[in-house]
Amino acid sequence: DAKTTQPPSMDCAEGRAANLPCNHSTISGNEYVYWYRQIHSQGPQYIIHGLKNNETNEMASLIITEDRKSSTLILPHATLRDTAVYYCIVRKAAGNKLTFGGGTRVLVKP
Amino acid sequence: GAVVSQHPSWVICKSGTSVKIECRSLDFQATTMFWYRQFPKQSLMLMATSNEGSKATYEQGVEKDKFLINHASLTLSTLTVTSAHPEDSSFYICSARDYRLDRNEKLFFGSGTQLSVL
Repeated sequence: DAKTTQPPSMDCAEGRAANLPCNHSTISGNEYVYWYRQIHSQGPQYIIHGLKNNETNEMASLIITEDRKSSTLILPHATLRDTAVYYCIVRKAAGNKLTFGGGTRVLVKP
Repeated sequence: GAVVSQHPSWVICKSGTSVKIECRSLDFQATTMFWYRQFPKQSLMLMATSNEGSKATYEQGVEKDKFLINHASLTLSTLTVTSAHPEDSSFYICSARDYRLDRNEKLFFGSGTQLSVL
């Protein structure tokens, strides 16, 4: 699976949108972009995934560039409970393991 | 979303003893389960992949005789840390893949087990 690069940490203000970048320049055509987050001392939680098109669900939006070499996870209105480590993972279609990188430690401040 | 239950959530044991951790898929059948380990302030590291009814596949550097994995049913996988030592103290997390084609794009994770070996 292709590797990803994320900033190690970022702060954002409560109530504002949080934009989390991810680079995956070596992504191949059949690989999906997944986002998970891990709140302290808990298991990872699925957020969203996509292949080419932008995706939106009740938690977040995923914007994938046209060349698919990078993506951005958007938390539209960050809350204090969104403080977590966010992992961007590139993975082939269903069934494969998830390989976690360093992730981005997001701190939402009041 | 699907629920993966992991038990116990934390355990303290003496050095040299064995500890068993259970991972159950509560509302779906999991053909494949994955076991991860996470040290403080580090990312999750995959230890092994278990498929129901067959032997687990271990990642490089993971001792299969020390970390015994059993996946005897479609809803239960267990990880046994044998002869635990303080360096085995870690956060262990399982994840499960739904066997249904329209749901197996996501992996669902348990809440983790914090193991402390004294």
